[in-house]
Amino acid sequence: DQQVKQNSPSLSVQEGRISILNCDYTNSMFDYFLWYKKYPAEGPTFLISISSIKDKNEDGRFTVFLNKSAKHLSLHIVPSQPGDSAVYFCAATPYGANSKLTFGKGITLSVRP
Amino acid sequence: NAGVTQTPKFQVLKTGQSMTLQCAQDMNHNSMYWYRQDPGMGLRLIYYSASEGTTDKGEVPNGYNVSRLNKREFSLRLESAAPSQTSVYFCASSEARGNTEAFFGQGTRLTVV
Repeated sequence: DQQVKQNSPSLSVQEGRISILNCDYTNSMFDYFLWYKKYPAEGPTFLISISSIKDKNEDGRFTVFLNKSAKHLSLHIVPSQPGDSAVYFCAATPYGANSKLTFGKGITLSVRP
Repeated sequence: NAGVTQTPKFQVLKTGQSMTLQCAQDMNHNSMYWYRQDPGMGLRLIYYSASEGTTDKGEVPNGYNVSRLNKREFSLRLESAAPSQTSVYFCASSEARGNTEAFFGQGTRLTVV
Protein backbone atom coordinates (compact mmCIF):
# COMPACT_ATOMS: atom_id res chain seq x y z
CA ASP A 1 0.00 0.00 0.00
CA GLN A 2 1.60 3.21 -1.16
CA GLN A 3 1.43 5.82 1.58
CA VAL A 4 2.83 8.70 -0.48
CA LYS A 5 1.43 9.03 -3.98
CA GLN A 6 2.65 11.10 -6.88
CA ASN A 7 0.14 10.08 -9.47
CA SER A 8 1.47 12.06 -12.40
CA PRO A 9 4.74 10.54 -13.59
CA SER A 10 5.75 13.54 -15.68
CA LEU A 11 5.07 17.21 -16.28
CA SER A 12 6.22 19.52 -19.06
CA VAL A 13 6.01 23.31 -18.78
CA GLN A 14 7.28 26.31 -20.69
CA GLU A 15 10.14 28.33 -19.26
CA GLY A 16 8.84 31.24 -17.22
CA ARG A 17 5.51 29.60 -16.45
CA ILE A 18 4.41 27.99 -13.20
CA SER A 19 5.11 24.31 -12.44
CA ILE A 20 2.73 22.62 -10.02
CA LEU A 21 3.73 19.21 -8.71
CA ASN A 22 1.17 17.33 -6.65
CA CYS A 23 1.48 14.76 -3.88
CA ASP A 24 -1.11 12.87 -1.83
CA TYR A 25 -0.63 10.82 1.32
CA THR A 26 -2.73 8.32 3.20
CA ASN A 27 -1.02 7.97 6.58
CA SER A 28 -2.60 10.32 9.14
CA MET A 29 0.53 10.03 11.30
CA PHE A 30 2.61 11.95 8.78
CA ASP A 31 3.16 15.48 9.94
CA TYR A 32 6.33 16.64 8.23
CA PHE A 33 6.69 16.77 4.47
CA LEU A 34 9.68 17.34 2.23
CA TRP A 35 10.44 17.75 -1.43
CA TYR A 36 13.64 16.44 -2.94
CA LYS A 37 15.07 17.15 -6.36
CA LYS A 38 17.16 14.61 -8.25
CA TYR A 39 19.29 15.02 -11.34
CA PRO A 40 20.44 11.94 -13.30
CA ALA A 41 23.43 10.13 -11.78
CA GLU A 42 23.23 12.21 -8.60
CA GLY A 43 21.71 11.67 -5.19
CA PRO A 44 18.51 13.48 -4.19
CA THR A 45 18.98 16.93 -2.71
CA PHE A 46 16.65 18.59 -0.26
CA LEU A 47 14.53 21.38 -1.71
CA ILE A 48 11.89 22.54 0.74
CA SER A 49 9.82 21.22 3.64
CA ILE A 50 6.67 21.98 5.56
CA SER A 51 5.38 21.06 8.98
CA SER A 52 1.77 20.10 9.52
CA ILE A 53 1.23 23.17 11.68
CA LYS A 54 1.62 25.33 8.58
CA ASP A 55 -0.25 25.44 5.31
CA LYS A 56 2.39 27.23 3.26
CA ASN A 57 6.14 27.54 3.16
CA GLU A 58 8.04 29.67 0.69
CA ASP A 59 11.69 29.71 -0.34
CA GLY A 60 12.53 31.90 -3.31
CA ARG A 61 10.88 30.48 -6.41
CA PHE A 62 9.63 27.41 -4.52
CA THR A 63 6.45 27.27 -2.45
CA VAL A 64 4.92 24.22 -0.83
CA PHE A 65 1.24 24.17 0.11
CA LEU A 66 -0.27 21.68 2.54
CA ASN A 67 -3.96 20.78 2.80
CA LYS A 68 -4.18 18.46 5.80
CA SER A 69 -7.88 17.77 5.51
CA ALA A 70 -7.37 16.56 1.94
CA LYS A 71 -4.03 14.90 2.74
CA HIS A 72 -2.58 16.76 -0.21
CA LEU A 73 0.45 18.90 -0.81
CA SER A 74 1.80 20.67 -3.83
CA LEU A 75 5.06 22.24 -4.90
CA HIS A 76 4.86 25.42 -6.97
CA ILE A 77 7.86 26.64 -8.94
CA VAL A 78 7.56 30.18 -10.26
CA PRO A 79 9.02 31.06 -12.68
CA SER A 80 10.15 27.69 -14.01
CA GLN A 81 13.66 27.52 -15.47
CA PRO A 82 15.31 24.88 -17.69
CA GLY A 83 17.66 24.04 -14.81
CA ASP A 84 14.62 22.92 -12.82
CA SER A 85 14.27 19.92 -15.14
CA ALA A 86 14.73 16.94 -12.82
CA VAL A 87 12.84 14.27 -10.91
CA TYR A 88 11.00 15.61 -7.87
CA PHE A 89 10.22 13.33 -4.95
CA CYS A 90 7.67 14.04 -2.28
CA ALA A 91 8.50 12.51 1.12
CA ALA A 92 6.75 12.34 4.47
CA THR A 93 7.50 11.29 8.01
CA PRO A 94 5.72 11.14 11.36
CA TYR A 95 6.89 13.40 14.15
CA GLY A 96 9.89 12.05 16.03
CA ALA A 97 10.69 9.30 13.55
CA ASN A 98 14.28 10.43 13.14
CA SER A 99 13.60 11.48 9.58
CA LYS A 100 12.69 7.97 8.46
CA LEU A 101 11.18 9.14 5.24
CA THR A 102 8.54 7.52 3.05
CA PHE A 103 8.96 8.60 -0.57
CA GLY A 104 6.61 8.88 -3.48
CA LYS A 105 7.57 7.49 -6.89
CA GLY A 106 8.67 10.86 -8.21
CA ILE A 107 7.60 13.24 -10.98
CA THR A 108 9.84 14.05 -13.93
CA LEU A 109 9.63 17.77 -14.65
CA SER A 110 10.76 19.07 -18.03
CA VAL A 111 11.01 22.81 -18.51
CA ARG A 112 11.07 23.76 -22.19
CA PRO A 113 13.18 26.80 -23.17
CA ASN B 1 33.30 19.17 3.26
CA ALA B 2 32.39 15.99 1.33
CA GLY B 3 28.98 15.32 2.94
CA VAL B 4 27.98 11.71 2.28
CA THR B 5 30.43 9.56 0.33
CA GLN B 6 29.55 6.19 -1.14
CA THR B 7 31.86 3.59 -2.66
CA PRO B 8 31.89 2.10 -5.18
CA LYS B 9 29.89 4.15 -7.71
CA PHE B 10 29.35 1.21 -10.05
CA GLN B 11 29.50 -2.56 -9.54
CA VAL B 12 28.60 -5.67 -11.52
CA LEU B 13 28.14 -8.89 -9.58
CA LYS B 14 27.37 -12.44 -10.58
CA THR B 15 24.43 -14.13 -8.91
CA GLY B 16 25.53 -15.56 -5.57
CA GLN B 17 28.52 -13.25 -5.09
CA SER B 18 28.78 -11.05 -2.03
CA MET B 19 29.81 -7.46 -1.62
CA THR B 20 29.73 -4.56 0.79
CA LEU B 21 28.66 -1.03 -0.08
CA GLN B 22 30.48 1.57 1.97
CA CYS B 23 29.11 4.87 3.20
CA ALA B 24 30.71 7.61 5.28
CA GLN B 25 29.47 11.02 6.35
CA ASP B 26 31.45 13.92 7.77
CA MET B 27 28.58 16.03 9.12
CA ASN B 28 28.54 14.46 12.59
CA HIS B 29 25.02 13.18 12.00
CA ASN B 30 23.57 10.59 14.33
CA SER B 31 21.19 8.89 11.90
CA MET B 32 22.12 7.04 8.72
CA TYR B 33 20.04 5.23 6.11
CA TRP B 34 20.25 2.94 3.10
CA TYR B 35 17.68 3.30 0.32
CA ARG B 36 17.27 1.62 -3.01
CA GLN B 37 15.74 3.22 -6.06
CA ASP B 38 14.11 1.14 -8.76
CA PRO B 39 12.38 2.42 -11.90
CA GLY B 40 8.84 3.50 -11.12
CA MET B 41 9.25 2.70 -7.43
CA GLY B 42 10.74 5.80 -5.88
CA LEU B 43 13.15 5.34 -2.97
CA ARG B 44 12.53 2.53 -0.51
CA LEU B 45 14.20 2.25 2.87
CA ILE B 46 16.30 -0.89 3.36
CA TYR B 47 17.84 -0.32 6.80
CA TYR B 48 18.50 2.60 9.04
CA SER B 49 20.57 3.43 12.09
CA ALA B 50 19.13 6.01 14.46
CA SER B 51 22.41 6.27 16.35
CA GLU B 52 25.78 4.58 16.66
CA GLY B 53 25.32 1.00 17.81
CA THR B 54 21.71 0.62 16.66
CA THR B 55 20.22 -0.63 13.41
CA ASP B 56 16.65 -1.35 12.35
CA LYS B 57 14.90 -2.81 9.35
CA GLY B 58 13.17 -0.61 6.86
CA GLU B 59 10.62 -1.44 4.20
CA VAL B 60 12.71 -3.89 2.12
CA PRO B 61 15.43 -5.50 4.32
CA ASN B 62 15.42 -9.05 2.94
CA GLY B 63 18.75 -10.11 1.44
CA TYR B 64 20.73 -7.35 3.14
CA ASN B 65 22.70 -6.81 6.32
CA VAL B 66 24.12 -3.61 7.73
CA SER B 67 26.83 -2.52 10.12
CA ARG B 68 27.10 0.84 11.85
CA LEU B 69 30.85 0.71 12.25
CA ASN B 70 31.09 4.04 14.08
CA LYS B 71 29.29 7.38 13.97
CA ARG B 72 30.67 8.16 10.51
CA GLU B 73 30.27 4.86 8.68
CA PHE B 74 27.31 2.68 7.77
CA SER B 75 27.85 -0.27 5.42
CA LEU B 76 25.37 -2.40 3.50
CA ARG B 77 26.21 -6.03 2.71
CA LEU B 78 24.72 -8.36 0.16
CA GLU B 79 25.64 -11.88 1.22
CA SER B 80 24.40 -13.68 -1.89
CA ALA B 81 23.44 -11.28 -4.64
CA ALA B 82 20.32 -11.91 -6.72
CA PRO B 83 19.17 -10.23 -9.96
CA SER B 84 16.29 -8.69 -7.99
CA GLN B 85 18.89 -6.64 -6.13
CA THR B 86 19.89 -4.82 -9.30
CA SER B 87 19.20 -1.23 -8.33
CA VAL B 88 20.69 2.12 -7.45
CA TYR B 89 21.57 2.31 -3.77
CA PHE B 90 21.66 5.56 -1.84
CA CYS B 91 23.11 6.19 1.57
CA ALA B 92 21.82 9.16 3.56
CA SER B 93 22.38 10.81 6.92
CA SER B 94 20.48 13.26 9.09
CA GLU B 95 20.56 14.90 12.47
CA ALA B 96 18.46 13.06 15.03
CA ARG B 97 16.95 16.26 16.42
CA GLY B 98 13.37 16.42 15.23
CA ASN B 99 12.49 16.12 11.58
CA THR B 100 15.42 17.49 9.67
CA GLU B 101 16.17 16.78 6.07
CA ALA B 102 18.40 13.88 5.08
CA PHE B 103 21.53 14.37 2.99
CA PHE B 104 22.19 11.80 0.29
CA GLY B 105 25.28 10.35 -1.31
CA GLN B 106 25.66 10.10 -5.07
CA GLY B 107 24.56 6.51 -5.24
CA THR B 108 25.93 3.08 -6.19
CA ARG B 109 24.61 1.52 -9.38
CA LEU B 110 24.63 -2.24 -8.83
CA THR B 111 23.91 -4.79 -11.53
CA VAL B 112 23.54 -8.48 -10.67
CA VAL B 113 23.80 -10.81 -13.65
